[in-house]
Amino acid sequence: EVQLVESGGNLVLPGGSLRLSCAASGFTFSSYEMNWVRQAPGKGLEWVSYISNSGGAIYYADSVKGRFTISRDNAKNSLYLQMNSLRAEDTAVYYCAREGDDDQFDYWGQGTLVTVSS
Amino acid sequence: DIVVTQSPDSLAVSLGERATINCKSSQSVLYSSNKKNYLAWYQQKPGQPPRLLIHWASTRESGVPDRFSGSGSGTDFTLTISSLQAEDVAVYYCQQYYRLYSFGQGTKLEIK
Repeated sequence: EVQLVESGGNLVLPGGSLRLSCAASGFTFSSYEMNWVRQAPGKGLEWVSYISNSGGAIYYADSVKGRFTISRDNAKNSLYLQMNSLRAEDTAVYYCAREGDDDQFDYWGQGTLVTVSS
Repeated sequence: DIVVTQSPDSLAVSLGERATINCKSSQSVLYSSNKKNYLAWYQQKPGQPPRLLIHWASTRESGVPDRFSGSGSGTDFTLTISSLQAEDVAVYYCQQYYRLYSFGQGTKLEIK
């Protein structure tokens, strides 16, 4: 069974940093592209970042470019999101999502809440 | 950037009736080489992550009831629930994955 479990969400001050993790199991992690998607409280879904299966290709939404860094460790079956210079508008539930064979987001984790507030 | 716009923002339908949600992309998401529309539909219930319903605009995922169907091509797409059930109450999102990724704003579906 495919499982994605996010962790690392917390309350952080504006300007602070946080590192999210996503532990994958039930599939060959190194074969799949991965994404982070976020959802602000009561709002819609916003794609945040993409990483290829090898880590050789990475993309970011303009809203996080230069502040967030996506990475992965295929040996540990883990996906990461390093978030720096956090702003109030980064407050959201952050989901990791697997990209299926046809590029659709076929599996999602339960999400981890990041709150940026003083 | 491709902007994806859904209509309506909310919808109330009686049990057993048809529900229709529209999705429009600011540019075509039809890839000419494989004739595939890079458009997916997701269902999200309160407190849960999104669930993939349909990809390639009309390919239903395994386990998704056949009352859910997707149609359209190019820039205009539709998600149809042929006979609304109580468990279909949710927010529905379309997503383009033709050029990076972007989601529509969501459509909240309720029972009338």
